[in-house]
Amino acid sequence: GAVVSQHPSRVICKSGTSVKIECRSLDFQATTMFWYRQFPKQSLMLMATSNEGSKATYEQGVEKDKFLINHASLTLSTLTVTSAHPEDSSFYICSARAQMYEQYFGPGTRLTVT
Amino acid sequence: AQSVTQLDSHVSVSEGTPVLLRCNYSSSYSPSLFWYVQHPNKGLQLLLKYTSAATLVKGINGFEAEFKKSETSFHLTKPSAHMSDAAEYFCVVSAQAGTALIFGKGTTLSVSS
Repeated sequence: GAVVSQHPSRVICKSGTSVKIECRSLDFQATTMFWYRQFPKQSLMLMATSNEGSKATYEQGVEKDKFLINHASLTLSTLTVTSAHPEDSSFYICSARAQMYEQYFGPGTRLTVT
Repeated sequence: AQSVTQLDSHVSVSEGTPVLLRCNYSSSYSPSLFWYVQHPNKGLQLLLKYTSAATLVKGINGFEAEFKKSETSFHLTKPSAHMSDAAEYFCVVSAQAGTALIFGKGTTLSVSS
C-alpha cells in the first residue's frame, strides 16, 4: 500500500521558537495533503488542506500565520509552527490523497513545547 | 453538512467475545464511510471502508461493518476479540470526492483476558 512518512516523529522545542514538520508520500504523488491535530485522548481535528502549488485552505479557528503550510511538490508538504507555545503541544498527523476518497496517513509527530 | 457520532466512548470486552462499536452518520450526500484504528502513540490504520458498493464491508483483522442507510449507521463488529485489538477506533465520513475526512470522537476498546 501507499506509504506516508513524517519527520520528525518527536520534537521538543522551547517556547518562542519555530519547528517544521515534514510529510512525504513515498511511493505515490499526492495532489492533496491534509494536516490534522490530535490532543491527548481526543479525536483528530482537521487544521488545513493543501493542494500542490497553491495556498492551503485553513479550517475555521486555525491561525494561518501561526501554522504555515507549504505544499511545494507532489510528494512533500511541510507544517511550520511559528513562535510555538506550550498550548501548541500536540500530536500532528498528515495524510496524503492520491485517488478519490483514499487518504493515507502518516505516523504522526509528537510536538512538545517547553 | 457531514457528521459522525460514535455512541460509546469506551467499550470493554473479554478476549474471545464479540465486539460491537457503534457509529451513526449524517450526510447530505451519499457518504463514504471508514473505520480507522489507532494504537497508543501510533498513526492511523485503515480497517475498512464503504464507498457505495456492497453494504457489508469486510476489513482487516477479522473486522467488518454494515452500512444501513435506513438507520444511518455503520457499526463495526468482530466475532471474537483478541488482546491486540485494544486500541482507539474512529468512525469517519467523507461526503464528497476530494473532501477532507470528518472524524468521530473515538471509541476506546479494552480487551481483558
